[in-house]
Amino acid sequence: EAPLVESGGALVQPGGSLRLSCAVSGFTLDFSWVTWVRQAPGKGLEWVANMKRDGTESHYIDSVKGRFAIFRDNAKNSTFLRMSGLRVEDAAMYFCTRAVVLPGGRVYFDPWGQGIRVAVSS
Amino acid sequence: EIVLTQSPATLSLSPGDRATLSCRASQSIRGYLAWYQKKVDQSPRLLIFDGSSRATDIPARFSGSGSGTDFTLTISSLEPEDFAVYYCQRGTTFGGGTKLEI
Repeated sequence: EAPLVESGGALVQPGGSLRLSCAVSGFTLDFSWVTWVRQAPGKGLEWVANMKRDGTESHYIDSVKGRFAIFRDNAKNSTFLRMSGLRVEDAAMYFCTRAVVLPGGRVYFDPWGQGIRVAVSS
Repeated sequence: EIVLTQSPATLSLSPGDRATLSCRASQSIRGYLAWYQKKVDQSPRLLIFDGSSRATDIPARFSGSGSGTDFTLTISSLEPEDFAVYYCQRGTTFGGGTKLEI
C-alpha cells in the first residue's frame, strides 16, 4: 500500500474551489510536518504549503496566500489542501509529502504520494 | 531567499556513461542539499540528502558531493531506468531541474 494517497482532483473553472485530501498509512502524521508540492505541465517542482506537526504553524508560497489553506486531521492521519479562487496558473499535479525536519533547519521530502491532477479552465 | 540553479538543463548520454549534474546555490547552504529523481507519471523520489547521504534503497551508483554553494550529483554508470529529470532542493526551494536523456 502506498504510504500517501491523494484524492479530490478535478477540472474546475477559474474562481472555483477544490479540496485535496492526502491519506497517510505506514507512519503517523503526529510527528511529521506535511507539505504540498505541485508541478505544472512542462514545469519543475514548486513547493506550495506546509504545516507543522502540531498544526500551530503553516506556510505558503506567495502566489497562493489567502486562497489556499492547509490543514490536517491527525486522528484520521490525513492532510488536506483547500483551494479557492483557483487560477489557470494553479493547474498542476499536486503531490503531498512528508517533510523530514532535522536539526539545523535541514528539510527533506520523503515519501511522496502519487499525485493528483488539478485542471483549471473555462 | 535562496535560489538554486541547475546545469545543464539537458544532458544527453548513453547507458554506461557517467553523469555529472550540478546545482549552485545563490548563497552558502552548508551541506544541506537534497536530490530527487522525477520520472513522467511518477512521484519524485528522494535520492540524496545532506549533500552526500544516500536515501534508503538508493543504488550505490548515485552519489552526491559538495558544500557551501556548489553541489554535484554523480551517476557512475547509467542504467536505462536512470533517464529522468533530477531536481536539487534546499528548504522550500527547488532547482529548475536537469533532464537526463538518451
